[in-house]
Amino acid sequence: GESVGLHLPTLSVQEGDNSIINCAYSNSASDYFIWYKQESGKGPQFIIDIRSNMDKRQGQRVTVLLNKTVKHLSLQIAATQPGDSAVYFCAEGSLNNLFFGTGTRLTVIP
Amino acid sequence: GAVVSQHPSWVICKSGTSVKIECRSLDFQATTMFWYRQFPKQSLMLMATSNEGSKATYEQGVEKDKFLINHASLTLSTLTVTSAHPEDSSFYICSVKAGGRGDTQYFGPGTRLTVL
Repeated sequence: GESVGLHLPTLSVQEGDNSIINCAYSNSASDYFIWYKQESGKGPQFIIDIRSNMDKRQGQRVTVLLNKTVKHLSLQIAATQPGDSAVYFCAEGSLNNLFFGTGTRLTVIP
Repeated sequence: GAVVSQHPSWVICKSGTSVKIECRSLDFQATTMFWYRQFPKQSLMLMATSNEGSKATYEQGVEKDKFLINHASLTLSTLTVTSAHPEDSSFYICSVKAGGRGDTQYFGPGTRLTVL
């Protein structure tokens, strides 16, 4: 598969602070990007996605930024809560072919 | 988002037996379903793409005769791990492509397979 990696394997943030999780990808032909959250022993949960014709998309407390020039994707979580503690995966490719990064573990400190 | 279920959620079996895992789309019809495998502390790896009414497309390195996929209806896809061995122990996760709901993939809760 394509190479999708994360800059930080672990991230600890104080409750209430903002979190930023980064992801680098290598396939410039990818036109679809998505962030998932996975809690221990559970399947991935969709957070937010973005297509290559956009550079920013906002959801509830989350924002995804896409920089195609440097092939970089980030997930911003506002006012991080203890329930946000999980492993976050970025994935890139197309709707029929997603390649997942290795994951970043986010720990929220109460 | 779309509701996807998997059954069973956890299975323990002896080496050499076959195990069937079901993936169901509960609230819409899914023409395309995907099967992933996830080893501990690793990312998801796509095994195969399952299209209703046709043969599944397997990723390189995935044995189609060992991992049998049947997508017999728009709401059900099954993965059968034939003659399972300890190295097949993993977390198997399905996803569905929800064309009418933002056109993204929604994942099931996963099935943990432990082969003794």
